[in-house]
Amino acid sequence: AQTVTQSQPEMSVQEAETVTLSCTYDTSESDYYLFWYKQPPSRQMILVIRQEAYKQQNATENRFSVNFQKAAKSFSLKISDSQLGDAAMYFCASLSNFGNEKLTFGTGTRLTIIP
Amino acid sequence: DGGITQSPKYLFRKEGQNVTLSCEQNLNHDAMYWYRQDPGQGLRLIYYSHIVNDFQKGDIAEGYSVSREKKESFPLTVTSAQKNPTAFYLCASSGSQNSPLHFGNGTRLTVT
Repeated sequence: AQTVTQSQPEMSVQEAETVTLSCTYDTSESDYYLFWYKQPPSRQMILVIRQEAYKQQNATENRFSVNFQKAAKSFSLKISDSQLGDAAMYFCASLSNFGNEKLTFGTGTRLTIIP
Repeated sequence: DGGITQSPKYLFRKEGQNVTLSCEQNLNHDAMYWYRQDPGQGLRLIYYSHIVNDFQKGDIAEGYSVSREKKESFPLTVTSAQKNPTAFYLCASSGSQNSPLHFGNGTRLTVT
């Protein structure tokens, strides 16, 4: 079974600054995928970034990047140059590459952007 | 445009009534999923289907039922046996193994 833990229920950051959201996970698999999803007030779930566990290089998507520490089972999301539109709930999720492909979510972090 | 459509956006029902939430996708995806979202608990998997005419229970399947008669459709029925049905329900689909999920806009169900 997989578990995903987000220990920060809420975070805030000044506009244009950088913020890091934490995520830890637990899995017995050697091959898996990790994701960050964003849920704005519209409640639409939007994929932010994806990381394959077999890749050592951290994934980046424009202002979004991850710090993937496989040994520590840590997968934090860094948002650079924060913008007002980044305000949302952010969910970390894991997906095993074997057996039933079920996405397991953390409880989320609510990010507030301070103008 | 391809996507996932959930309807209705808001649904109100009296306690003791069954209610069915619709989920349709035109992405030609094989896999479809139903999640429930409650405040402070993230998303929890109710049921999922990787192929037509087959589906599996997720982590919180009690009080729910599904069908997958067509590739495009994966309706969720919330039965009267579900003790706390009021929640936000999200449907998702995936095109292949390990592909990211595409989500619908969700249905807010309120049972009084």
